[in-house]
Amino acid sequence: DTEVTQTPKHLVMGMTNKKSLKCEQHMGHRAMYWYKQKAKKPPELMFVYSYEKLSINESVPSRFSPECPNSSLLNLHLHALQPEDSALYLCASSRGGDEQFFGPGTRLTVL
Amino acid sequence: QQPVQSPQAVILREGEDAVINCSSSKALYSVHWYRQKHGEAPVFLMILLKGGEQKGHEKISASFNEKKQQSSLYLTASQLSYSGTYFCGTGNNFNKFYFGSGTKLNVKP
Repeated sequence: DTEVTQTPKHLVMGMTNKKSLKCEQHMGHRAMYWYKQKAKKPPELMFVYSYEKLSINESVPSRFSPECPNSSLLNLHLHALQPEDSALYLCASSRGGDEQFFGPGTRLTVL
Repeated sequence: QQPVQSPQAVILREGEDAVINCSSSKALYSVHWYRQKHGEAPVFLMILLKGGEQKGHEKISASFNEKKQQSSLYLTASQLSYSGTYFCGTGNNFNKFYFGSGTKLNVKP
């Protein structure tokens, strides 16, 4: 199984809502990533988990809260988002510093 | 820290060749290449781990000049399926990873 799955595919939320994005992989990868991608821009790294521990936080606002419950799951909890947070949120995994496998993404719209 | 790619966009006819360049102001320890089609996730093409390395993947190949902090992606005899946005990417350790600015490739019949 070389697939990374993400749910939901689309999410519309208000600025006062709380929601979560979910990512799952069963390739035994020990590194998992969250990226944010705005239209016509490259993906921007947000968080990296290595062996289920947060190893990188690229100065992301606290309204984004990552969680890694186990080696196969990665969540991104969202609270009090702003309209400018609307974007495609991509999850990826890798064995280490090599090939990253990406999920299809969650397209988030904040009203 | 984001690598810079050139050109920003290129239009080809089927069968034509293209070169996409990626350069960094900081030392490159490895270079990844990805292709992203519209509305889809990035897909890994290849990784180059050391200076002087060259790799090929069917009609797509790449080189890595560590001293010049540059990498180039070569697309030969392009096909319609090559259309998309190409990103180089680099990480300076196990975890941090930065995508390049991107090159949009449009192959026309």
